[in-house]
Amino acid sequence: QKEVEQNSGPLSVPEGAIASLNCTYSDRGSQSFFWYRQYSGKSPELIMSIYSNGDKEDGRFTAQLNKASQYVSLLIRDSQPSDSATYLCAARFSSGSARQLTFGSGTQLTVLP
Amino acid sequence: SAVISQKPSRDICQRGTSLTIQCQVDSQVTMMFWYRQQPGQSLTLIATANQGSEATYESGFVIDKFPISRPNLTFSTLTVSNMSPEDSSIYLCSVGDVSSYEQYFGPGTRLTVT
Repeated sequence: QKEVEQNSGPLSVPEGAIASLNCTYSDRGSQSFFWYRQYSGKSPELIMSIYSNGDKEDGRFTAQLNKASQYVSLLIRDSQPSDSATYLCAARFSSGSARQLTFGSGTQLTVLP
Repeated sequence: SAVISQKPSRDICQRGTSLTIQCQVDSQVTMMFWYRQQPGQSLTLIATANQGSEATYESGFVIDKFPISRPNLTFSTLTVSNMSPEDSSIYLCSVGDVSSYEQYFGPGTRLTVT
C-alpha cells in the first residue's frame, strides 16, 4: 500500500523560530517529493520539490530528503505568522501510475506572534 | 506555471441532482487530474483526465458517479452525479508537468449537498 505519513499536529512555533515538518513514505523506490502549503479555504500551493538525497534551499525554506530512511522534511527558518497553514507532503511512487502523486494528511502549523 | 480556473467556485445543490465542474488552463497541458478534499482531510485522487480517451479512475471512484470529459489539452469537466450529502467536498483540478511531475492546483469548487 502506497502511503505518505505526516504528523497531523497542530504544530505551534513562535515567530522567528525554525519550524520543522516531517514526512515518511512507504515506497523505497519513490523518486520525487513535494511540499505544498494550503491556507484555510484555499487550494494547495507548491512550495518545494526535491528529487535527490540531501538538502535543497529556497529562501527561508529547506527541504531535506533521506531515501535510505524514507524520510522527507521541510524546515521553515525565521517563521512568520503568514506561514500559518497546513503543509502537505506528497510523493510520486515508483509503482502504479508514474504520473500520480500520493498526499499525506497534512501538518497544521501555527506561528505565534 | 499555468493559470488554472475552475467554475463554479462554489455551489449548493439538492440531493439527487448533478453538478458539472469546469477546469480551464491557459496553456496546453498533457497531465490533468481531479481530486476531492473532504472537510479536514487531505487530497484524494478521483481520476486522471486523458485527452481523447476515457479517464482513468482510482479505486473507489466510478465513471457513472464521476463522469469526466477532456475534449482538448486545455479543458476538462468533472460531473458529480446523483449527489448525496456525502459528496459535500472541495473538488480540485490539477495540471502536471511531464518532466518534473510537479502538480499545480486550480482554486477549487466547494460543493455542499443538502
